[in-house]
Order: sequence, then C-alpha cells, then structure tokens
Amino acid sequence: QKEVEQDPGPLSVPEGAIVSLNCTYSNSAFQYFMWYRQYSRKGPELLMYTYSSGNKEDGRFTAQVDKSSKYISLFIRDSQPSDSATYLCAIPTRGEEKLTFGTGTRLTIIP
Amino acid sequence: KAGVTQTPRYLIKTRGQQVTLSCSPISGHRSVSWYQQTPGQGLQFLFEYFSETQRNKGNFPGRFSGRQFSNSRSEMNVSTLELGDSALYLCASRTDRGINEKLFFGSGTQLSVL
Repeated sequence: QKEVEQDPGPLSVPEGAIVSLNCTYSNSAFQYFMWYRQYSRKGPELLMYTYSSGNKEDGRFTAQVDKSSKYISLFIRDSQPSDSATYLCAIPTRGEEKLTFGTGTRLTIIP
Repeated sequence: KAGVTQTPRYLIKTRGQQVTLSCSPISGHRSVSWYQQTPGQGLQFLFEYFSETQRNKGNFPGRFSGRQFSNSRSEMNVSTLELGDSALYLCASRTDRGINEKLFFGSGTQLSVL
C-alpha cells in the first residue's frame, strides 16, 4: 500500500463550480499536510499547508484534514480557468527530510 | 530573487549513456533535493544535499548519484541509462529550517531515453 494515495483524475468542471480534491494516507504519525499546484511545464509550488485536523482557508481555497480517517481534502470555490493545473498532496516525513507526494490530480476548469 | 534554475530543460539520450543534470538553488538556500516525476509513479524522492553532504537518499539504484558544491549548486548523474529513466527531474531548495519549510522547485529537466 502506498503511503499517500490520490485519485489521478483527470477532473473537468465548469467555471464557477466547487472543486473537491482528495488524498488518503496510511501513517497515523503524519502531522503536516501540504498541497502543491503544478502548471504544465513548471515545477510544483506550495499552495497551502495545514497541521493536525480541521480546516484552513486561504481565499478561494480550503484545506481540510481528518486524521481519524487519514483523509485530506482541498476545496476550490468559484473555480477559474487559471486554476487548471495538477494538484498534488504532499506529506513531509520527519527524519528522512523528504516529501511523500500523491500522484496528483489533473484539473481542468472549462470556461 | 531568482528562482531555482535547472539546466538543461530538455535532454534526449540513448540507453547505456550517462547524463548530468544541473541545479542552482535560490540564493541563501543550503538544502537541495532532487525528485523524479513520471506519469505512473508521480513525484519520488531521489536524494537531499546540505553543505555538500548527502543527508538522505530515496529508494533508487546506485546508478543515480549526486553532489553539491560549496556554493550550494548541485548536480545529479544517472549512469547506464535505461528506458525507464525517462522522466521529469525536479530540483528543489530551501533554507533548512526544517522539512515543514516550503520547498521551491525549479521547472525541471525533461529526460527522454531512447
């Protein structure tokens, strides 16, 4: 079983829709959770990160963590064509000093 | 401030050859990590360097190696290339306050092995 699982999509939604992106993880010791966004032909860039359970909001983006279910989500409200990208969940592994990534979900927002 | 710079952007090699990829981190960043990205496996950690020393290594064969110079610039080398080595190789840097610190990625080197 992979440490971090993510539905690869692709996912296409109309402009203005609410988007839900999800990942599951296996190690209950994980404490920090990140979402990276990767545009075509670019490297990933950090979008949000959260610690422990609960919600964190930043503009149109909300990151949610449910540690009891080992489930993390990213919600995008009022989606825009500029949100079209691949979204990757990532979990830092202390001691190994690396990020374990999900495979990424390719999102397309249709104007 | 300039971002993470990777060269070259694209490379085409044949099986059995070797390749060297280069990464210049953001000024002041002392930690440099390398990741391999493929459609099937996603992003996988290769290794991390700090102050010219490899601190951590992912689960890749010994054909994959790297080094870091005193100015924090880093190179990675892949010897005896195989078809499965075709991937986007990403370099990332950070100042090294901790793994939860934001990683800054370059745009990557797209390697094609024929």
